[in-house]
Amino acid sequence: EIGMTQSPGTLSVSPGERATLSCRASQSVSNNVAWYQQKDGQAPRLLIFSASIRATGIPARFSGTGSGTDFTLTISSLQSEDFAVYYCQQYNNWPPGAFGQGTKVEIK
Amino acid sequence: EVQLVESGGGLVQPGGSLRISCVGSGFTFGNFAMTWVRQAPGKGLEWVSSISGNGGSTFYTDSVKGRFTISRDNSKNALYLQMNSLRAEDTAVYYCAKDVPYWGDWGQGTLATVSS
Repeated sequence: EIGMTQSPGTLSVSPGERATLSCRASQSVSNNVAWYQQKDGQAPRLLIFSASIRATGIPARFSGTGSGTDFTLTISSLQSEDFAVYYCQQYNNWPPGAFGQGTKVEIK
Repeated sequence: EVQLVESGGGLVQPGGSLRISCVGSGFTFGNFAMTWVRQAPGKGLEWVSSISGNGGSTFYTDSVKGRFTISRDNSKNALYLQMNSLRAEDTAVYYCAKDVPYWGDWGQGTLATVSS
């Protein structure tokens, strides 16, 4: 079973700064990775699929890159509404659709 | 607009049973696979189970196999998760989500608490 490891666990960033979140798969998952944002008390929201394609309505400041085992979610200029927990998920070997453990982006 | 509304969560004793439901609207329900994803308090997301559009194929994470049953009634636009032999570690918010293998539409979740 493929494992997804996210780093760092917590990222402290000032508004307007860039945030870079990493996700590593235990074996190649091609580009079959999605990213989600989750705010307290809310359901997850799909940001990115196929490693780099923004979902409908997602602002251009969110971008995804990577293939194989290493993936990155970048938020180019953090807005107040972007402070949340972010999860990656692989779906190359589905089921199961393994999630990473999450990265919390907090205000510095 | 896609809407998914879960219901049926609550408090149940260890070893007990609970059935949670999800009703979908804003899309042709029977044309899409559906999924349950859970989140234990303060923890991350865990895929639990999925079912094909016609209900003919079902999938489960290993920890719930033999205890949980996913089903659907397309005439009612409804998705179900029958949870038996519940354990404390099944305590979580259960979300229904549309489609596989990633999820762009989610419900608001229903909390199932397993405790004596």
